[in-house]
Amino acid sequence: DAKTTQPTSMDCAEGRAANLPCNHSTISGNEYVYWYRQIHSQGPQYIIHGLKNNETNEMASLIITEDRKSSTLILPHATLRDTAVYYCIVRVLLRFGNEKLTFGTGTRLTIIP
Amino acid sequence: IAGITQAPTSQILAAGRRMTLRCTQDMRHNAMYWYRQDLGLGLRLIHYSNTAGTTGKGEVPDGYSVSRANTDDFPLTLASAVPSQTSVYFCASSDPLRGKGYTFGSGTRLTVV
Repeated sequence: DAKTTQPTSMDCAEGRAANLPCNHSTISGNEYVYWYRQIHSQGPQYIIHGLKNNETNEMASLIITEDRKSSTLILPHATLRDTAVYYCIVRVLLRFGNEKLTFGTGTRLTIIP
Repeated sequence: IAGITQAPTSQILAAGRRMTLRCTQDMRHNAMYWYRQDLGLGLRLIHYSNTAGTTGKGEVPDGYSVSRANTDDFPLTLASAVPSQTSVYFCASSDPLRGKGYTFGSGTRLTVV
């Protein structure tokens, strides 16, 4: 399975863009990159996913490098409520349409007032 | 509101006792999962079910069992609890063919004493 590497922690000033990097150098051609976040002790929350094109939704943008070995999650205008642990995950699609997500320890993002 | 319901929210359990953690979803997702989360270790997969009637073992299945009698319910049973099973347990579900990620419950905090 493709392994991901993320910084342990990051700070970002409120109102600024938060850029969270992730390395996934062993990713395979059919594996997607997913991002989740976990606020305090709540269940993880899906943010965004992508295969090779950049993606944007109401929560964030995902930039995937051309070689797909790394990606960056961008929170365009960080607020205090964005303080959370952010997980970058490579989704493995198994036989019969099943999937597997392996969570690492993520990046603890702290938004500074 | 569509989503996943876990019960109980928290529980203190004597070692050696049997306990079932309940998980119900109303999204008609085929796949369901149980994770445990311990400090510093991220989320680890205990058991999963790709569809009703089937189950599989994850990373840390020992001491746990699951069943999937129907699409909506995926209970996790600890036959004889031990202190090392003190953890926060999250249930999740997904529809892999839609690729929209996992939906997580709010968790069960279990303390085995």
